[in-house]
Amino acid sequence: AQSVTQLDSQVPVFEEAPVELRCNYSSSVSVYLFWYVQYPNQGLQLLLKYLSGSTLVKGINGFEAEFNKSQTSFHLRKPSVHISDTAEYFCAVRVRGSNYKLTFGKGTLLTVNP
Amino acid sequence: DARVTQTPRHKVTEMGQEVTMRCQPILGHNTVFWYRQTMMQGLELLAYFRNRAPLDDSGMPKDRFSAEMPDATLATLKIQPSEPRDSAVYFCASGLEGIPQIGQYFGPGTRLTVL
Repeated sequence: AQSVTQLDSQVPVFEEAPVELRCNYSSSVSVYLFWYVQYPNQGLQLLLKYLSGSTLVKGINGFEAEFNKSQTSFHLRKPSVHISDTAEYFCAVRVRGSNYKLTFGKGTLLTVNP
Repeated sequence: DARVTQTPRHKVTEMGQEVTMRCQPILGHNTVFWYRQTMMQGLELLAYFRNRAPLDDSGMPKDRFSAEMPDATLATLKIQPSEPRDSAVYFCASGLEGIPQIGQYFGPGTRLTVL
């Protein structure tokens, strides 16, 4: 079975500061990795994904994430955040192959303050 | 702009009543997922379908929950009878099996309150 741990439940930052949201996963098989964003009262939106190839992946809204196989991590970063980035962020894994069930972390609430 | 739609967006009901939530997946997607989101448990997978066939509903309380896909454009999640502990936001998502780069597209959710 797979599991996802998001190490911080809340991350407050000031506008234009850099941010890193941490995600670690556990799996006995190879996985695909995803970050989703959920704005208040909305569904989840895919931010970025790692399937294979380059370990640094870029997503929408200036976010990027780096896959580190040895540390089983997939941390999300943004060099300069905006007020509009305030949202909940979910890390998720999916086993490669026929099983396409997503396993989600508990989420990290990013609050960007002026 | 293709998107998953869900109705109703909000539902308030009394304990014991039947609740039906509907989802229209993105046209052409062949997988549908139902998730429940609560503060305590986070996002939980309740059921998923491939080509309208249920593949896994192990996350659903069997005695009161049921999920179906009457056709490729409609998925339903029913709770009968509803209980206060069912209060949550229920999300539907759709995707394409074998195309992981697409990921899962989520609907806006149905916020259910059972009094």
